[in-house]
Amino acid sequence: DAGVTQSPTHLIKTRGQQVTLRCSPKSGHDTVSWYQQALGQGPQFIFQYYEEEERQRGNFPDRFSGHQFPNYSSELNVNALLLGDSALYLCASTEGTSGYEQYFGPGTRLTVT
Amino acid sequence: DAKTTQPTSMDCAEGRAANLPCNHSTISGNEYVYWYRQIHSQGPQYIIHGLKNNETNEMASLIITEDRKSSTLILPHATLRDTAVYYCIVRVGVFGNEKLTFGTGTRLTIIP
Repeated sequence: DAGVTQSPTHLIKTRGQQVTLRCSPKSGHDTVSWYQQALGQGPQFIFQYYEEEERQRGNFPDRFSGHQFPNYSSELNVNALLLGDSALYLCASTEGTSGYEQYFGPGTRLTVT
Repeated sequence: DAKTTQPTSMDCAEGRAANLPCNHSTISGNEYVYWYRQIHSQGPQYIIHGLKNNETNEMASLIITEDRKSSTLILPHATLRDTAVYYCIVRVGVFGNEKLTFGTGTRLTIIP
């Protein structure tokens, strides 16, 4: 079992650009959550996808959007990048309504210049 | 979700028990206490969770006070690999489909 995988590992973008980050959940998991972790801070919840729908959303602007595919993998899209979007983006998966643990991937380090 | 308070940092000698405190004085009756840790350059890792009874698993023990206003995570025999940031999280619902609200956690350093 590969666990939660994320790609790419690192990414450098310029202000105003758009970025897409990808996540493959742990085998058997159907729920994917995305978190943003700024340097020195704890992860902050962005949103969660289940059955290809956004089910919960944190306090993030509409520039942050996502998608979940039928195979449960997910994408995080950020438009009009700001310097403040530089962070580690973490994906976590869980098993629907029965799993109590969220499994995190290693994250994608995004740098906006 | 209830707010938690943790010390910013702690040190512990290798081989000794590491006791990490967490204050959650505003916890509600239906809120669980969760602990995750984050080793440098990795994603957070689940450790343990509980409602009101003490819990133990292969990684750690969780002691929750009778009034549930505070808890302690115990790593019984700390090793250098336990050096990490430890997050105490309180949230409604036991299932993983509920969001996690992280604070800044406790940076635990295990000293050789």
